[in-house]
Amino acid sequence: NAGVTQTPKFRILKIGQSMTLQCTQDMNHNYMYWYRQDPGMGLKLIYYSVGAGITDKGEVPNGYNVSRSTTEDFPLRLELAAPSQTSVYFCASSWTGNDEQYFGPGTRLTVT
Amino acid sequence: QQQVKQSPQSLIVQKGGISIINCAYENTAFDYFPWYQQFPGKGPALLIAIRPDVSEKKEGRFTISFNKSAKQFSLHIMDSQPGDSATYFCAASMGQTGANNLFFGTGTRLTVIP
Repeated sequence: NAGVTQTPKFRILKIGQSMTLQCTQDMNHNYMYWYRQDPGMGLKLIYYSVGAGITDKGEVPNGYNVSRSTTEDFPLRLELAAPSQTSVYFCASSWTGNDEQYFGPGTRLTVT
Repeated sequence: QQQVKQSPQSLIVQKGGISIINCAYENTAFDYFPWYQQFPGKGPALLIAIRPDVSEKKEGRFTISFNKSAKQFSLHIMDSQPGDSATYFCAASMGQTGANNLFFGTGTRLTVIP
């Protein structure tokens, strides 16, 4: 099993550009999550999904969108990149909403 | 507002010593308290977790102590090793009530000196 995979590993965007961060898991988990990690701030939940076709906002959803058309994939969309979105983004998945979350390796995004 | 408060920010321990990291929370609806370990350039990985029906859980050199009345929990790393040098995050969630969100502490960077 590859677990949770994320692409790309690194990306530099100009202000106002858009991009999609890809996340795929091969563990057949129902739950998937997107977090951002800023220095000294821990991880903050952006969006999560409890199954295909179902998504919901986390703590910091502004400026992002998600979709979940399959169990395996949970892409995160940035429509109009802003410097405040410079961060490391982690995707995670779990069997239920209250047990171990498996994290991907992260995407380091810089917006200039 | 930080739902889970973690201290210290950084910790330096000699090899063989005990590392202790503390967390506190306010929301009594939290019912799952994991600790995650993160090495540079990697995603966090679950180290150990506890639910509020027990006061202590031990796995090898790692122990979680949980004080429900004080709304505090801590991670103890016995016989700390240089390979334990990483950032540790405590977290809490209330998944059984449907929220499904993990609220993370701000992290503790542990350095174990050989």
